[in-house]
Amino acid sequence: GNSVTQMEGPVTLSEEAFLTINCTYTATGYPSLFWYVQYPGEGLQLLLKATKADDKGSNKGFEATYRKETTSFHLEKGSVQVSDSAVYFCALTPIYGQNFVFGPGTRLSVLP
Amino acid sequence: NAGVTQTPKFQVLKTGQSMTLQCAQDMNHNSMYWYRQDPGMGLRLIYYSASEGTTDKGEVPNGYNVSRLNKREFSLRLESAAPSQTSVYFCASRAEKADTQYFGPGTRLTVL
Repeated sequence: GNSVTQMEGPVTLSEEAFLTINCTYTATGYPSLFWYVQYPGEGLQLLLKATKADDKGSNKGFEATYRKETTSFHLEKGSVQVSDSAVYFCALTPIYGQNFVFGPGTRLSVLP
Repeated sequence: NAGVTQTPKFQVLKTGQSMTLQCAQDMNHNSMYWYRQDPGMGLRLIYYSASEGTTDKGEVPNGYNVSRLNKREFSLRLESAAPSQTSVYFCASRAEKADTQYFGPGTRLTVL
């Protein structure tokens, strides 16, 4: 079956530090991969996505590259801000499939 | 554009009580979903509806029922609430042949 594994954290960084949140997946075929972000008290928002191998998704300074050979989709940001404090979810869906699979989420706290 | 809306935002129930969580989307999406979010477990799919008039079980359907009232609305009912159903519930929707889900702000439910 399909599954997503990600580091659970919490991750605590100082402002302007480099961020990496690891995500690996198990899936048949060629799923689409996503990072969603959940700010305190809110629902999930799409942060970025990639739909095929070697694609790079990017948004708000965050990046993730679809690595088919390592079945990974690690999230990176070169310089985090306090406003990036949130929970980050890695997720996948089979192409045009109905069921998303989410990782457990990684809580990020950025200190000034 | 409201996107996905959910009511209520908060609810406290006693064991055995019933209630219905409401969800509506104004994006003309075909597919709608109900998830629950528990600490350390990410989001788990309860039920989904691929189109108006159809519903299917997800990963954790026991203790819940759903109704796809029309294309806009998808409700989740707890017939006899149990403490194990204390959680945050999210509704989401997705356009046909698209891969991105859009989430509502969530309902925080506590069952005493």
